[in-house]
Amino acid sequence: QSVLTQPPSVSAAPGQKVTISCSGSSSNIGNNYVSWYQQLPGTAPKLLIYENNKRPSGIPDRFSGSKSGTSATLGITGLQTGDEADYYCGTWDSSLSAPFGGGTKLTVL
Amino acid sequence: EVQLVESGGGLVKPGGSLRLSCAASGFTFSSYSMNWVRQAPGKGLEWVSSISSSSSYIYYADSVKGRFTISRDNAKNSLYLQMNSLRAEDTAVYYCATAVSSAFDYWGQGTLVTVSS
Repeated sequence: QSVLTQPPSVSAAPGQKVTISCSGSSSNIGNNYVSWYQQLPGTAPKLLIYENNKRPSGIPDRFSGSKSGTSATLGITGLQTGDEADYYCGTWDSSLSAPFGGGTKLTVL
Repeated sequence: EVQLVESGGGLVKPGGSLRLSCAASGFTFSSYSMNWVRQAPGKGLEWVSSISSSSSYIYYADSVKGRFTISRDNAKNSLYLQMNSLRAEDTAVYYCATAVSSAFDYWGQGTLVTVSS
């Protein structure tokens, strides 16, 4: 199982808001930046959030990130059908590894 | 525009070897750390290995330590992954990814490695 824990799935209606949690420990999230990735079906992952809450150029402000202690959260507002994807959190660990969460499948009902 | 293009994947027997390559363009390759991340069929992402810009620092996941070797050639803007003693559980799509920030900023399209007899 993954070092970082995410819910396997979340769902919400179009236009609504959803949050995805990522739980770790003091050896990873607690002392390192968290990033979030979106993987649309059949494509490579894409960076959504880096350094806990920063968005790369081109990522809409509907996507947001936060971190508190050993947990992080990805928020998506104004859900669209095109947001249906797998979402992964990632960070670095004091063991000199870079774990990912197990991934969360977002369904827009 | 940043481009990462992986190659070298294919079908290999258990115990065999394979060398993956990643050709980079659109950014100053020699300035940034590079990484390999893999994804088994239907599974999540798994970090495999990282190499610093000058190859001074190299890290591996425990699952591949002693079997895989990451390297880079900054003159050729290329990243490599030499994979030896391959196992069925190494079957995955292998992505190369940059680390401009503290995250994996850009990803290639991936190359599929299948380990099967």
